[in-house]
Amino acid sequence: NAGVTQTPKFQVLKTGQSMTLQCAQDMNHEYMSWYRQDPGMGLRLIHYSVGAGITDQGEVPNGYNVSRSTTEDFPLRLLSAAPSQTSVYFCASSEDRGGYEQYFGPGTRLTVT
Amino acid sequence: QQQVKQSPQSLIVQKGGISIINCAYENTAFDYFPWYQQFPGKGPALLIAIRPDVSEKKEGRFTISFNKSAKQFSLHIMDSQPGDSATYFCAARVTYSGAGSYQLTFGKGTKLSVIP
Repeated sequence: NAGVTQTPKFQVLKTGQSMTLQCAQDMNHEYMSWYRQDPGMGLRLIHYSVGAGITDQGEVPNGYNVSRSTTEDFPLRLLSAAPSQTSVYFCASSEDRGGYEQYFGPGTRLTVT
Repeated sequence: QQQVKQSPQSLIVQKGGISIINCAYENTAFDYFPWYQQFPGKGPALLIAIRPDVSEKKEGRFTISFNKSAKQFSLHIMDSQPGDSATYFCAARVTYSGAGSYQLTFGKGTKLSVIP
């Protein structure tokens, strides 16, 4: 089991560019989520999904889109990157909708100049 | 309403000492309280968790104390070791029964350094 994988590890974007952060899990987990981590701010939920075809917004969804076409994949799209989106992004998954344990990926460090 | 307040922001403890990290919350709908441990360059990983109907949970050197009336919970690390040096996040879960989903709200984290 690879667990939760994220690509790329690092990315630099210019303001206004768009990109997709990839997340995949091989544990057949229903629940997947995206967080951003900023210094002194902890982890903040961007979007989450309780299964293929079902997504919902978290605490900080503006500027991000998600879709969930398969159980395994949950990509995060930045539509028009802004310097405020410079952050470390973590994808996580859990076995059921109870969230007793979330498994986090290794993160993507994004810099927007 | 969703906020979880964590303190201290950073903590330095001598090897063998006790590390204590505190969290407080306001939302009484929170129904599950996990702690996550994060090493530099890695994603967080579940360390220990507690439900609000229990006042204490112990796993090895790690103990959660939970005070429901005060809406506070804390992590105690006994006999702290240099390998415990990491950032610790408390979290609280709210469950949406209609949608069959949940959200975790995290504290801002505590950077623990255990010095030999």
